[in-house]
This record gives sequence, C-alpha cells and structure tokens, in this order.
Amino acid sequence: GQNIDQPTEMTATEGAIVQINCTYQTSGFNGLFWYQQHAGEAPTFLSYNVLDGLEEKGRFSSFLSRSKGYSYLLLKELQMKDSASYLCAVRDFGGYQKVTFGTGTKLQVIP
Amino acid sequence: DTEVTQTPKHLVMGMTNKKSLKCEQHMGHRAMYWYKQKAKKPPELMFVYSYEKLSINESVPSRFSPECPNSSLLNLHLHALQPEDSALYLCASSRQYQETQYFGPGTRLLVL
Repeated sequence: GQNIDQPTEMTATEGAIVQINCTYQTSGFNGLFWYQQHAGEAPTFLSYNVLDGLEEKGRFSSFLSRSKGYSYLLLKELQMKDSASYLCAVRDFGGYQKVTFGTGTKLQVIP
Repeated sequence: DTEVTQTPKHLVMGMTNKKSLKCEQHMGHRAMYWYKQKAKKPPELMFVYSYEKLSINESVPSRFSPECPNSSLLNLHLHALQPEDSALYLCASSRQYQETQYFGPGTRLLVL
C-alpha cells in the first residue's frame, strides 16, 4: 500500500514563491505526479518525476528525492489564478502499478 | 485534439433512475479511467480500461457498470444509486496504462 502526506492548506502572497511538500511511503516507487485542481474542476497535469532531481516547467518546478520519499512543487511569481488544490500522486511498482492521489494542498494566494 | 470530454456536466437523479455518464477522447489513448471524487477529498479510482478491456475494478458496487464501446469512448451506467453516491465523477485517459493521465471536466452527480 501507499501513504502520502501533504499539508492541508497554505497561504502565500501574490508575486512570492511557495513550496508545497509531499512525502510518501510505498513498497515500490515508480513515479510521482503533480496535478492542479481548481475548485469544482478536473485535475490538470503539471509535472512528472521518476528520477531524483529537479524538473522545471516555466513558473512551476518539481523536485524528487527517492531515498527520502520526498517531493516538492515550487511555484514562482505567484498569481491569483494559482489559488487551487495541488495533488501529489504516486505510482506503485507492485501489483498493477496503481496511481494513488494524496489528499491535496489547498493554496490560497492573497494580494 | 488534446482534451477529454464528458457529458453531462451536471446530473440529478432519483434512486430508482437509470442514467449513463459518457466520456470521449480522440488522442489515441489506449487506457481510460473512471474516478469518483467527494468534496475536499482526492479522486478515488473506480475502473480502468486498457485496450478496451476492463483491467481494474476497485471493488465498486454493481450499481455502477462501466462500458467501453471502442477505444475513444467510455461509459458509466448508473442504476439504483444511493444519496452517498453523489460526487464528481471524473474520466481520465492516458497513452498507455498508468502513464500520465489527462482528466475530463467531470460530471457532478446528485442523487436524491
């Protein structure tokens, strides 16, 4: 099975940088995804990490450390539209490689 | 075309009704998924189809019946639902099973 932990809520200021952490425990790690989900809408894919290190995509970056069971999503130059929930999802190597979603971090960007 | 579409957007049904949710993608993806999401909770996997065959059923009650008529379409047939089944139902697809999933906008279902 898997256990995924994320902070429940975070608040950050427009124009600032925020880091959303995700820790996980799994019997066989095979990739980690970050999704953004605005209230009442579908999740939107942001990034994928399977090897250690940083993946950068514009204002968003995602980092992975497999040895520590740890990832973070870094959002730069925050905009009001970044207010959303951010879901960490982990793919397991075992069984049928199920992807399990964390409970998500609700980010509020304030002026 | 890089989107997953779902119809209807909203659905209200009684416990004795029969209804269907529809999902469509034209990205050539060979895996399609149904998720259920309650408010302030993460999506919960219900079913996975890979190459039009049911690969995973996460012990979903039989009042939910999936169908994959072809590689682009995925249906979820609903019958005799309970009020606790009210949720956002999300469809997703991926190029191959368990690769990056792309979600549709969802159907918000209310069971009275």
